[in-house]
Amino acid sequence: EVQLVESGGGLVQPGGSLRLSCAATGFTFSNYNMNWVRQAPGKGLEWVSYISSSSSSIYYADSVKGRFTISRDNAKNSLYLQMNSLRAEDTAVYYCARPLFGGFQDYWGQGTLVTVSS
Amino acid sequence: SYVLTQPPSVSVAPGQTARITCGGNDIGSKSVHWYQQKPGQAPVLVVYDDSDRPSGIPERFSGSNSGNTATLTISRVEAGDEADYYCQVWDSSSDHHYVFGTGTKVTVL
Repeated sequence: EVQLVESGGGLVQPGGSLRLSCAATGFTFSNYNMNWVRQAPGKGLEWVSYISSSSSSIYYADSVKGRFTISRDNAKNSLYLQMNSLRAEDTAVYYCARPLFGGFQDYWGQGTLVTVSS
Repeated sequence: SYVLTQPPSVSVAPGQTARITCGGNDIGSKSVHWYQQKPGQAPVLVVYDDSDRPSGIPERFSGSNSGNTATLTISRVEAGDEADYYCQVWDSSSDHHYVFGTGTKVTVL
């Protein structure tokens, strides 16, 4: 059974940093591209970042470019999101998701809440 | 950047048909995917590539896509279908961005 489990969320002050993790089980992680998608409280879904299976291709939404860094460790079956210079508008539930060819996400984690507030 | 527009809400009586639209410039030339999200839960894929259903998704969920509008149709609506629904495309022309629609709240009366 495919499972994606996020961790690392919490309360952080504006300007602070946080590192999210996503542990993948039930599939060959190294064969799949991965995404981070977030959802602000009461708002819609927003794509954040993409990383290819070998880490050779990485993309970011304009809203996080230069502040967030996506990475992965295929030996540990894990996906990461390093978030720096956090702002109040980064407050959201962050999901890791597995995109397939054609762009749809067939599996999602349960999400981890990041709250940026003083 | 590419924009997908959905109606904020759709209301439907049990047993009737709900239609949720997703508007975008020449969206008919793209593959559209749909997700269902219930309160406090992660999104679930219900339709992919315009009209295909993942295993385990009832046949009551169907999709179409043409011109500037894609549509998710839920037939014989049940109380359990009450949720938020999001359309999504992969905009490969925009630096590999994944674009989500604004979301539609489906209320079962």
